[in-house]
Amino acid sequence: KAGVTQTPRYLIKTRGQQVTLSCSPISGHRSVSWYQQTPGQGLQFLFEYFSETQRNKGNFPGRFSGRQFSNSRSEMNVSTLELGDSALYLCASSLVGSTNEKLFFGSGTQLSVL
Amino acid sequence: SQQGEEDPQALSIQEGENATMNCSYKTSINNLQWYRQNSGRGLVHLILIRSNEREKHSGRLRVTLDTSKKSSSLLITASRAADTASYFCATDAGVRGYQKVTFGTGTKLQVIP
Repeated sequence: KAGVTQTPRYLIKTRGQQVTLSCSPISGHRSVSWYQQTPGQGLQFLFEYFSETQRNKGNFPGRFSGRQFSNSRSEMNVSTLELGDSALYLCASSLVGSTNEKLFFGSGTQLSVL
Repeated sequence: SQQGEEDPQALSIQEGENATMNCSYKTSINNLQWYRQNSGRGLVHLILIRSNEREKHSGRLRVTLDTSKKSSSLLITASRAADTASYFCATDAGVRGYQKVTFGTGTKLQVIP
């Protein structure tokens, strides 16, 4: 069974641009969560999707958005990039997103904003 | 915001020694999980302990949970160089049972061969 796939692996953007990151969960997993990881703030929860619906959202500005498609693949978008958005963005999948399930993580997208 | 805090922030030990990491959290939980992250990569699930469990083992890993103190510990016995990684505790923060796991600040473990 293929693992969680995130693309691209690395991305360099400039301030003010927007970016879209992609996540393909493990086959059969319907819940996808996104996390931002920075040295200063650690791992911060962004949002969680299940069956194309956002069920939980973290404390991030509206510039951060996401969506999930009918095949459970998910994208997250960051508009009007700021220097502070430089981070490793991780997505994780699980079967139904219950909190007693373990999360399977992708390798992440390393975003650098110049 | 971080639900959990790991202690110590960094730990350096010799191969073969035991490594103990602690996690403290703030609110009541349903489950607590431990994850490992190799540098710049995704996290790998190690073990899940439910709030009604006190201790759990998996191979060389031993996890304890004390809900009265809102703390957990991860013990890695007979450490190996391959155990070098960052270790995170994660709690569900009791939010409606849906996936909103929050992670602690992490312990960076270095195992010296």
